[in-house]
Amino acid sequence: ETGVTQTPRHLVMGMTNKKSLKCEQHLGHNAMYWYKQSAKKPLELMFVYNFKEQTENNSVPSRFSPECPNSSHLFLHLHTLQPEDSALYLCASSQNLGGGTDTQYFGPGTRLTVL
Amino acid sequence: GQNIDQPTEMTATEGAIVQINCTYQTSGFNGLFWYQQHAGEAPTFLSYNVLDGLEEKGRFSSFLSRSKGYSYLLLKELQMKDSASYLCAVSDSNYQLIWGAGTKLIIKP
Repeated sequence: ETGVTQTPRHLVMGMTNKKSLKCEQHLGHNAMYWYKQSAKKPLELMFVYNFKEQTENNSVPSRFSPECPNSSHLFLHLHTLQPEDSALYLCASSQNLGGGTDTQYFGPGTRLTVL
Repeated sequence: GQNIDQPTEMTATEGAIVQINCTYQTSGFNGLFWYQQHAGEAPTFLSYNVLDGLEEKGRFSSFLSRSKGYSYLLLKELQMKDSASYLCAVSDSNYQLIWGAGTKLIIKP
């Protein structure tokens, strides 16, 4: 149990659907992250939030829209996705941004399939 | 560009020792992390190195040489439950984690 939960665990959607991924951390951390994990590829950092403010957007297409209403919750809104967006989407949190003591703790991920 | 290299897959025998290597080229260095990820599960933190040398934590040890841009994770007395992917990640000058693609470790009886 890492203290970071994600829902849903699995999601199948069509290219015209709109869906949202949810992440919640129970660790009292200030920073939260969205990553994309594709088979045999490195984790790709998508978005970073620190104290609810977005600090990183690594050239992510606008069909992915993050939302961070408070330090404990993070959403990823999805619309008009492409089949190549099928992947495992991981949420993580850390006490603060940066520094060696700021280990990131991951949720179990949402396995997304875009048809 | 920034790059992390680690072997794609390794196989070892239960009870043996295995060393998983990681080499990196990054803009700046603020530490190197090792994570373990079982299939279908979240990556979990194993170790952090920021100074040269060996850090031992039970059956797992992690080594770092900053001058060589090199680290390894050493797993002793391998157990079947150690079958997983092992991810190497470097914190760069902006404290952003740069990840390797992971090494899938297969343990055979």
